[in-house]
Amino acid sequence: DAMVIQNPRYQVTQFGKPVTLSCSQTLNHNVMYWYQQKSSQAPKLLFHYYDKDFNNEADTPDNFQSRRPNTSFCFLDIRSPGLGDAAMYLCATSRDPGRDYNEQFFGPGTRLTVL
Amino acid sequence: AQTVTQSQPEMSVQEAETVTLSCTYDTSESDYYLFWYKQPPSRQMILVIRQEAYKQQNATENRFSVNFQKAAKSFSLKISDSQLGDAAMYFCAYRSNSGNTPLVFGKGTRLSVIA
Repeated sequence: DAMVIQNPRYQVTQFGKPVTLSCSQTLNHNVMYWYQQKSSQAPKLLFHYYDKDFNNEADTPDNFQSRRPNTSFCFLDIRSPGLGDAAMYLCATSRDPGRDYNEQFFGPGTRLTVL
Repeated sequence: AQTVTQSQPEMSVQEAETVTLSCTYDTSESDYYLFWYKQPPSRQMILVIRQEAYKQQNATENRFSVNFQKAAKSFSLKISDSQLGDAAMYFCAYRSNSGNTPLVFGKGTRLSVIA
């Protein structure tokens, strides 16, 4: 089945130690999104890629970076995680932002713990 | 900027009964889409139902239906014949149809289903 896959599902890192979360998709969608979701809150968009074009949200900290080497994969890099970065990180994809509903398909998320 | 408000942080419903989740939004645009997403305890977000603003007819998907009141900027979700599997966080979301715009989420409503 076509899907959005996130690895790992659970990640533990130490304060200040760089960490990378990965997302892959078999949907061949143009757009890939990264959201941060803290407990009992709505997902907060960090950035997204439309093909190779990177779109950063204005309030996303510089500590968060992303890479998209090809259509299928997208990575979230947290350069120096702080305790406040502990959260669930959701990856999502959509086909084309200018097309109809542009429904987003979400992965299962990676829960990041910062010690 | 668009905002989405879900005024009910928590709701509960008896199994087999009907429940309505509220959502209001604020926008100056006339062309947009509205969504309800479900996030079960396993955390993968899935789309429940969607509505195009230019369609007057309320969307329906099996036991899920919406009451879309464009003038009042209201988009409530009705779940009929509630099942235990409906227990989840429900997020209302808005997306403008003007180009590459992100989803704007409400803060969510946690629905409990009582057997």
